[in-house]
Amino acid sequence: QSVLTQPPSASGTPGQRVTISCSGGSSNIGGNTVNWYQQLPGAAPKLLIYNNNQRPSGVPDRFSGSKSGTSASLAISGLQSEDEADYHCATWDDSLNAWVFGGGTKLTVL
Amino acid sequence: EVELVESGGGLVQPGGSLRLSCAASGFTFSRFWMNWVRQTPGKGLVWVARIHSDGSTTSYADAVKGRFSISRDNAEDTLALQMNRLRADDTAVYYCAREGGGYGAYYFDSWGQGALVTVSS
Repeated sequence: QSVLTQPPSASGTPGQRVTISCSGGSSNIGGNTVNWYQQLPGAAPKLLIYNNNQRPSGVPDRFSGSKSGTSASLAISGLQSEDEADYHCATWDDSLNAWVFGGGTKLTVL
Repeated sequence: EVELVESGGGLVQPGGSLRLSCAASGFTFSRFWMNWVRQTPGKGLVWVARIHSDGSTTSYADAVKGRFSISRDNAEDTLALQMNRLRADDTAVYYCAREGGGYGAYYFDSWGQGALVTVSS
């Protein structure tokens, strides 16, 4: 059971906009920044969004992040086939003194 | 270019021990906190352990506390995870990850390719 809650799956057609939610509590998302990682099939995770809404160099602006209270969201606009991957949210938990992750969301591009 | 390369994974019997290593290159290793994160096949990511840039402070997930030990050699730019009293539920791919950022916003900005650890008789 993950500390952060994500939907196990999401899907969309090419060109569509999809969002993935990440829900937590006051000790984690509520008090700390949220990061998102993209994991392509068979690959290691890669940083996608950091500090709630910042994109590392090289990440397309089709990817955006937001945070409100104890929840965060990842939005992908202009969906492309290469976006098919697992997406994981993460943050620090002040009560656990640990990094915590969501269970991951498998995005399928139909 | 930042590179993290894990080694040492393999098959081990329940109750046995294994030591993972992570060789770092392309950055000043001694300036960064480092972490181990694991992933059971088909499941989500789970944080395992963390170590301060100078090795002075460590922390562990409850599931591995007392059995795993994280360490580093800043002279050799290597990170290690000593895993003792292994159990079947420790079976996973283990990633080393660099912790970057600052000013209250931290994140894993580089990951290794992962090392598979299988605990089975």
